[in-house]
Amino acid sequence: AQTVTQSQPEMSVQEAETVTLSCTYDTSESDYYLFWYKQPPSRQMILVIRQEAYKQQNATENRFSVNFQKAAKSFSLKISDSQLGDAAMYFCAYRSANYGQNFVFGPGTRLSVLP
Amino acid sequence: DTEVTQTPKHLVMGMTNKKSLKCEQHMGHRAMYWYKQKAKKPPELMFVYSYEKLSINESVPSRFSPECPNSSLLNLHLHALQPEDSALYLCASSQDYYGIYEQYFGPGTRLTVT
Repeated sequence: AQTVTQSQPEMSVQEAETVTLSCTYDTSESDYYLFWYKQPPSRQMILVIRQEAYKQQNATENRFSVNFQKAAKSFSLKISDSQLGDAAMYFCAYRSANYGQNFVFGPGTRLSVLP
Repeated sequence: DTEVTQTPKHLVMGMTNKKSLKCEQHMGHRAMYWYKQKAKKPPELMFVYSYEKLSINESVPSRFSPECPNSSLLNLHLHALQPEDSALYLCASSQDYYGIYEQYFGPGTRLTVT
């Protein structure tokens, strides 16, 4: 079975600074997808960024980028120019490419942004 | 319109009550999901509907009964719940169950069982 680990239960960053959230996963599959989801307090969960395992290029979405290290099974999220609205719970998630949309979520990292 | 709506936002029910949670999407998605989320924990998948048929039931107790009346609507019927069932119940949808499609989440129903 696949597992996802987020070793930082809580993190904080100064506004306008850069922060990196870590995620590692364990799988024996070669084809899969990885996601970062953001859940702000009392608001709905939204997709931040996703990465297909077969793509070597790291995904980027505006201020958000990932460092995908397939051999190390690592998938960290970098947030540049942090904004107050980035404060949220961030979940790393794994999904097999061979089956349906059953996510394996990590335990989450709560990010605080300090003004 | 990339919205998944859920009603009610909050629900308090006794252990002998029967209530229902409702989820709606108008994005033409053919897969819909129910998740349960306890405080400070990730969502846990409960049910998956694909093309209006129940595809996955993650060993959920029978006091939770899902229903998919049509492709836009998903209900979760609740009966004889326990206090430990208190949680945030999230609905989500995606274009299809297979393939790399984004799941869109609703805001959730916060359920308290007394």
